Amino acid sequence: NAGVTQTPKFQVLKTGQSMTLQCAQDMNHEYMSWYRQDPGMGLRLIHYSVGAGITDQGEVPNGYNVSRSTTEDFPLRLLSAAPSQTSVYFCASSVIAQNTIYFGEGSWLTVV
Amino acid sequence: KQEVTQIPAALSVPEGENLVLNCSFTDSAIYNLQWFRQDPGKGLTSLLLIQSSQREQTSGRLNASLDKSSGRSTLYIAASQPGDSATYLCAVNTGGFKTIFGAGTRLFVKA
Repeated sequence: NAGVTQTPKFQVLKTGQSMTLQCAQDMNHEYMSWYRQDPGMGLRLIHYSVGAGITDQGEVPNGYNVSRSTTEDFPLRLLSAAPSQTSVYFCASSVIAQNTIYFGEGSWLTVV
Repeated sequence: KQEVTQIPAALSVPEGENLVLNCSFTDSAIYNLQWFRQDPGKGLTSLLLIQSSQREQTSGRLNASLDKSSGRSTLYIAASQPGDSATYLCAVNTGGFKTIFGAGTRLFVKA
């Protein structure tokens, strides 16, 4: 009963490096999204997808890219890491955008 | 722009107490509202989802109410237990593809 799976759990990057956070769900959900969580600020939407091949920007998309080649996978790419991207990243999915949201366990990213 | 606020940011209560967590939103044109629980170092778990046409939802010791006209929701926890200690977040969806989250209330239930 995997649900939403994120990898890696922890990552330290140097400024300017690139990396990909992986997200997979096994619930056949059409809607997937990426959030970042910073202290005192709640969760902010980075990018979302309403189905394979369809993605769009959220509230804080700068510095991040996404793609959705399959229903199951929704990776988040950091193009050139900056210290301001130090955060906890959560992947989420739901049947449609307005339904119950299921979250992954989070990925802790530190950019030095 | 929809904004979601949760006050207080932190709350400490003795075990057994009934308590209420508050959530307010600026735009009453919402599609639904969800309450989530987040344990330290973990992801969020959905507790209750209230559709805009509903006034409340119940699950076990939890009861969530919704008053769209005043832009408020409350999460009532009955007979609190130490295991209820966590951060509780509310989130609203306005019918589109974006869900807006509050910053959460960190609850500590003392044994």
